[in-house]
Amino acid sequence: DGGITQSPKYLFRKEGQNVTLSCEQNLNHDAMYWYRQDPGQGLRLIYYSQIVNDFQKGDIAEGYSVSREKKESFPLTVTSAQKNPTAFYLCASSIAAGDSPLHFGNGTRLTVT
Amino acid sequence: GENVEQHPSTLSVQEGDSAVIKCTYSDSASNYFPWYKQELGKRPQLIIDIRSNVGEKKDQRIAVTLNKTAKHFSLHITETQPEDSAVYFCAASKAAGNKLTFGGGTRVLVKP
Repeated sequence: DGGITQSPKYLFRKEGQNVTLSCEQNLNHDAMYWYRQDPGQGLRLIYYSQIVNDFQKGDIAEGYSVSREKKESFPLTVTSAQKNPTAFYLCASSIAAGDSPLHFGNGTRLTVT
Repeated sequence: GENVEQHPSTLSVQEGDSAVIKCTYSDSASNYFPWYKQELGKRPQLIIDIRSNVGEKKDQRIAVTLNKTAKHFSLHITETQPEDSAVYFCAASKAAGNKLTFGGGTRVLVKP
């Protein structure tokens, strides 16, 4: 399972707290992504980054924030403004954004109570 | 933006039969169409992809067809086996630099 690492696998937080999910890749990929997966639903894009120090909103960016200070790292912060944060979060990377295959991490299951 | 619809949402087939999943996309400028397989509790993995300059692509028991005029593409799995049971996602994107949009997924169950 080398290549892209997400931690932790399970995360529990109280409502009103911000929480940061880690994503690291050693594939030397330029592009990185965060997706949210809810039961019975597809993969919805939260944020993506095509290159270091640049990132763009996806389809459901409200209540989330990201940073891309290093090529290998793309952490996602779930803020208290996100109304329904409990979900399975998948990080991915690709050689370039758009038309390159995605390599996914194993995901982080976040539960907020 | 791009919208990808995937049908059916669930598909049950007998082992050895074929399975077909269909996706439609809205943006005629999309030119990259990958398919991902997600087994229970695991990460999605790319199984096959096709670009708009190709109408069909095969890899052993898996094939994908693309109809650019109608803006739809399909995944075909022949001689299904129990290990084909998983959720399959289609996706579409435009040229490099653009984001990938996923369909809602199809849960495939292969009955022995």
